[in-house]
Amino acid sequence: QLQLQESGPGLVKPSETLSLTCTVSGDSVSTSSYYWGWIRQPPGKGLEWIGTIYYSGTTHYNPSLKSRVTISIDTSKNQFSLKLSSVTAADTGVYSCASCGGASCTFDHWGQGTLVTVSS
Amino acid sequence: DIQMTQSPSSVSASVGDRVTITCRASQGISSWVAWYQQKSGKAPKLLIYAASSLQSGVPSRFSGSGSGTDFTLTISSLQPEDFATYYCQQANSFPLTFGGGTKVEIK
Repeated sequence: QLQLQESGPGLVKPSETLSLTCTVSGDSVSTSSYYWGWIRQPPGKGLEWIGTIYYSGTTHYNPSLKSRVTISIDTSKNQFSLKLSSVTAADTGVYSCASCGGASCTFDHWGQGTLVTVSS
Repeated sequence: DIQMTQSPSSVSASVGDRVTITCRASQGISSWVAWYQQKSGKAPKLLIYAASSLQSGVPSRFSGSGSGTDFTLTISSLQPEDFATYYCQQANSFPLTFGGGTKVEIK
């Protein structure tokens, strides 16, 4: 059973870089069966896709965040990571990692999510 | 980018009611739509993929339909555990986009 778990600081200062890691168990991040993605949800609001990475390193990013986002994959640790630079209060929210498999990117397994607050 | 317009934004219903939620895509996306259920404080759960395929373990009272630009999620007989927020997502192309959500509340 595929499981994902987010980790990282819960508090980030404005203008700094938000860094989160997703640890995968139950399968390898090197599998060609999945894309790996990040989704966020501001408090009381809807879901926003941040970006997705394939085992090959191919990435796709939300155009609204593209200039600030980097998603990478670490096969040795079976993890993938998110970095979001120059954060503001608008970046506060629950950040979730997820897998999407099959013929299209539909998120079938999710981490529990982690709240990141941007505040000084 | 493909916009997903979901309606209604909220619906009040009673146990046993039939509930229908719609999602309209800003351009044709074949059948590349998924539906998720999210309960308060929890991660979203995949219910339906490819517009009408039921994810393993999801009760059969949930069903999806549609193709092209118009899609529907139906709960045939609402159960107490179904009170939650539901989101559609287009999986036709990057950037992936979600609908704004529909909160199903107790009448």
